[in-house]
Amino acid sequence: EVQLVESGGGLVRPGGSLRLSCAASGFTFRNYWMSWVRQAPGKGLEWVANIKEDGSAKYYVDAVKGRFTISRDNARNSLHLQMNSLGADDTGLYFCARERPGGAVAADYWGQGTLVTVSS
Amino acid sequence: DIQMTQSPSSLSASVGDRVTITCQASQDISNKLNWYQQKPGKVPKLLIYDASNLERGVPSRFSGRGSGTDFTFTISSLQPEDIATYYCQQYGTFGPGTKVAIK
Repeated sequence: EVQLVESGGGLVRPGGSLRLSCAASGFTFRNYWMSWVRQAPGKGLEWVANIKEDGSAKYYVDAVKGRFTISRDNARNSLHLQMNSLGADDTGLYFCARERPGGAVAADYWGQGTLVTVSS
Repeated sequence: DIQMTQSPSSLSASVGDRVTITCQASQDISNKLNWYQQKPGKVPKLLIYDASNLERGVPSRFSGRGSGTDFTFTISSLQPEDIATYYCQQYGTFGPGTKVAIK
């Protein structure tokens, strides 16, 4: 059974940093692109970043470029999101998602999410 | 950047009704369009990928079609368990969502 379990969320002050992690199991992690998607309270979905199977390619939404870094450890079946210079607009539930092979960023499995709250 | 518009933003229909949601891309995206369902308080679920392919395990009352810039998502016979918000997605861009309610 495919499982994605996020961790690392919490309350952080504006300008602060957090590192999110996603533990993957039940599939061959190194064979899949992985994504982070977020959802502000009461709002829609926003794709944040994704990373190629071997980590050689990474893409980000404009709103986080230069502040967030996606990475993965295929030996430990883990995905990470380093978030710096956090602002109130970064508040939300952050989901880790597996992308379906074939492109188009079709996320076929999702974790339950980890909540990030940016507030003073 | 490609923009995605979705309509309507919300709808109310009766059980058994045919429901259609449209999604429009600001430029040609071929068939690279996905549809998700998110029930209140739940994780999004992939329903349709590459515009018209039904994800495994998804009921056949859900369907999608389109290519280029114009896409449609249809629920052929609305069921009570279909109450949710539906999102289209093209690569790194989600549409704003359509909230579906029972009349």
